[in-house]
Amino acid sequence: EVQLLESGGGLVQPGGSLRLSCAASGFTFSSYAMSWVRQAPGKGLEWVSSISGSGGTTYYADSVKGRFTISRDNSKNTLYLQMNSLRAEDTAVYYCAKDPNTGTTGRNPSFDSWGQGTLVTVSS
Amino acid sequence: EIVLTQSPATLSLSPGERATLSCRASQSVSSYLVWYQQKPGQAPRLLIYDASNRATGIPARFSGSGSGTDFTLTISSLEPEDFVVYYCQQRSNWPPTFGQGTRLEIK
Repeated sequence: EVQLLESGGGLVQPGGSLRLSCAASGFTFSSYAMSWVRQAPGKGLEWVSSISGSGGTTYYADSVKGRFTISRDNSKNTLYLQMNSLRAEDTAVYYCAKDPNTGTTGRNPSFDSWGQGTLVTVSS
Repeated sequence: EIVLTQSPATLSLSPGERATLSCRASQSVSSYLVWYQQKPGQAPRLLIYDASNRATGIPARFSGSGSGTDFTLTISSLEPEDFVVYYCQQRSNWPPTFGQGTRLEIK
């Protein structure tokens, strides 16, 4: 059974930093592109970033490019999102999500498994 | 960026009725359209991929259709647990984008 478990969320001041982690199990982690998708309180879903299975290719939404960095450690089956220069509008539940297809780059993902999400609140 | 417009924003129906949810793309996405269901306080769940293929474990009352710019999610006979929020997503063009969601409520 695929399991994705996010951690690292919390309250941070504007301009601050936070690193999210997503521990994966139940599948061959290195074979699948992974993504982060966020949902602001009471709002819809927004794709944030994706990374290929090898970690060699990454993609970012314009809203986070230059501030967020996605990475993965395939030896630890863990996905990361380093978030810097945080803004109030980054407040959201952040989900990690798995692509259903092996060998993709993450450029055109869909999401067949999701974690439970971790809440990031940016406020002074 | 491709904009997905879901309609209606809210759909009021009764259990046992048929639900038809629409997702319209601002330009063609071929068949690269996905539907998700989200229950309160939970992560989204994949329902339909590539416009018309049910994901593993999804009941047969859920079906998807369409291609190009117009897509439909149909729930043939509503169960009480179906009254939640549904999102469409396109994976045809970068960046991947979601519709704003349709909330299905009990009439």
